[in-house]
Parts: sequence; C-alpha cells; structure tokens
Amino acid sequence: AQTVTQSQPEMSVQEAETVTLSCTYDTSESDYYLFWYKQPPSRQMILVIRQEAYKQQNATENRFSVNFQKAAKSFSLKISDSQLGDAAMYFCALTYGQNFVFGPGTRLSVLP
Amino acid sequence: NAGVTQTPKFQVLKTGQSMTLQCAQDMNHEYMSWYRQDPGMGLRLIHYSVGAGITDQGEVPNGYNVSRSTTEDFPLRLLSAAPSQTSVYFCASSYNPTTTGNNEQFFGPGTRLTVL
Repeated sequence: AQTVTQSQPEMSVQEAETVTLSCTYDTSESDYYLFWYKQPPSRQMILVIRQEAYKQQNATENRFSVNFQKAAKSFSLKISDSQLGDAAMYFCALTYGQNFVFGPGTRLSVLP
Repeated sequence: NAGVTQTPKFQVLKTGQSMTLQCAQDMNHEYMSWYRQDPGMGLRLIHYSVGAGITDQGEVPNGYNVSRSTTEDFPLRLLSAAPSQTSVYFCASSYNPTTTGNNEQFFGPGTRLTVL
C-alpha cells in the first residue's frame, strides 16, 4: 500500500522567515509524482509545487522549493520569506497512474 | 472557463435521506474523482472515472454511487445518508495521467455535508 506521512500537525513561522514542512512516503512504484497542495480557509485546494520522481533536480516555484530525497522517500517543502497569505493547511500527495494518496496535512500559521 | 464546479456548497441531511452532489468541469478532462476530507486524515478517494461510462472504486467507496454519462459531469450519490458521511467533499479533474503523464488535479470548491 502507498502511504504519505506528515509528522507535523501544526507549524508556525514568523513573517519573512523560512519554514520547512516535512513529508515522507512509501511506494513500490518507480514512476510517480509528488505534489504539495495548499488549502487556505476558503477551502479551495491550490497546487503549490510538483516533482516528477524521475527528475533529480528539486522543483522550485518562486518562494517555494522542495528537497526531494528519493532514496529516503522524503519530500519536504521549504517556504522562504513567509507571508501572511501563506497561512493554510498544506497537504503532501503521492500519485502514480490514476491513484492519488494524500497525507493528513500540516496547518501552518504565520505570525506577524 | 469555470474550471471545476460543485453544487451545493452546504447541505444538511437527516439519517436515511438521499441526495446527489453535483460536479462539472469544462476543461475536457478525462479523469474525474471524488474525495472526502475529514480532520486529521487528509483527502481520501471515494470513486474515480477515466472517461464517460467508466468508473471505479477508490479507498472509501461504501455508501456512495457514481456514474459518468458525459465527459463534463460526475455526480456523487448518497443513497441512504449516515452520520459517518458527515464530511467535506471535493470533486477533482485532470487529464488522463496514464496517457499524458500530466496528472495535476484541479479541485472544485467543496461541499460541506452534515448528516444528523
């Protein structure tokens, strides 16, 4: 079975600081994708960043970057220069073929 | 381009009642799916479809039915609602990941369902 674990139910960061959210996963698949989704209080699911497992280079999207360690099955999200609008639930997700598996989420608070 | 739309946004049911959650997308996506979101459990897949006329079960299908008569629509039916089905429900769509390799899912705004 494929699983996704997020060991930090809640995190907080000061505005303008950097924070890292952890995600580990387990899969026997060799071809898969990893995602980070953001869910603000509006409830809308928003894609933050995506990583293809076959790519060694870590994905980056503006202030968001990942540390993808395939051998360790780790996929952490780093948010630089945190902003108040970054406050949300963050979900790590693993997908292979037509299957999507989500982690339980990390609630991020941004302190002014 | 409205993306993925869901109706209603909120619903309260009594135990044993039936209802249909509507989902539509205008992106010509082949793949559509339904999730439920419960506190501390992330999103869990209920049912999915890879095209009109084709549906399959996800992780938590019991108590739910789906059909896919058109590419655009993918309704979720609760035949006899139970309090355990109180949750937030999300519909999502994407291109067929097995043919395109692009499986970014686009989500609807969600439906908050309460079963009393």
